[in-house]
Amino acid sequence: LAKTTQPISMDSYEGQEVNITCSHNNIATNDYITWYQQFPSQGPRFIIQGYKTKVTNEVASLFIPADRKSSTLSLPRVSLSDTAVYYCLVGFETGANNLFFGTGTRLTVIP
Amino acid sequence: GAVVSQHPSWVICKSGTSVKIECRSLDFQATTMFWYRQFPKQSLMLMATSNEGSKATYEQGVEKDKFLINHASLTLSTLTVTSAHPEDSSFYICSARDRETYNSPLHFGNGTRLTVT
Repeated sequence: LAKTTQPISMDSYEGQEVNITCSHNNIATNDYITWYQQFPSQGPRFIIQGYKTKVTNEVASLFIPADRKSSTLSLPRVSLSDTAVYYCLVGFETGANNLFFGTGTRLTVIP
Repeated sequence: GAVVSQHPSWVICKSGTSVKIECRSLDFQATTMFWYRQFPKQSLMLMATSNEGSKATYEQGVEKDKFLINHASLTLSTLTVTSAHPEDSSFYICSARDRETYNSPLHFGNGTRLTVT
């Protein structure tokens, strides 16, 4: 199982860029890296997914180094509404790896 | 796209009764759906994998006779908590993958808050 390690919590001021790093040292060749966001009393929401290098969409960027043993979710110019828990999952859909959630990172955006 | 609808969003029941939670994929088909439980301030814990047309696969420590799962179609899975007790009070969340999308991410419902009195 590709175990993931993230910081438990982070604080950031509004308008700043936030980078959350996830370590996944035993990632397998076929594994993808997927990030989710969860607000209190809601189900997680898909943010971004990538395999290598950099992926960008309308809400975030995902940076993956060449060895793929870690990944960094980058949230540009955060607002108060970005306060949430962020989870990274590693695996491929035909395997069970990316069904198991780690501790996640609780991001608090401060006015 | 890729919407998962979960119903009810909250339910209160008396100890000893059963509660059914529905999970529907609205705009995609899902061969498998997944049921999670989440306690306050904790991460999601996978309970079981629901397989369309066959038996569910339960994670270690999850009682299959207590948490009955049925996946009768490619868009609907149900979780029934039987003979509920206060310790079953939790936040239950379902998710599914779009079987037509390569390496589809998980799409989650908005969860069901179960309170057993």
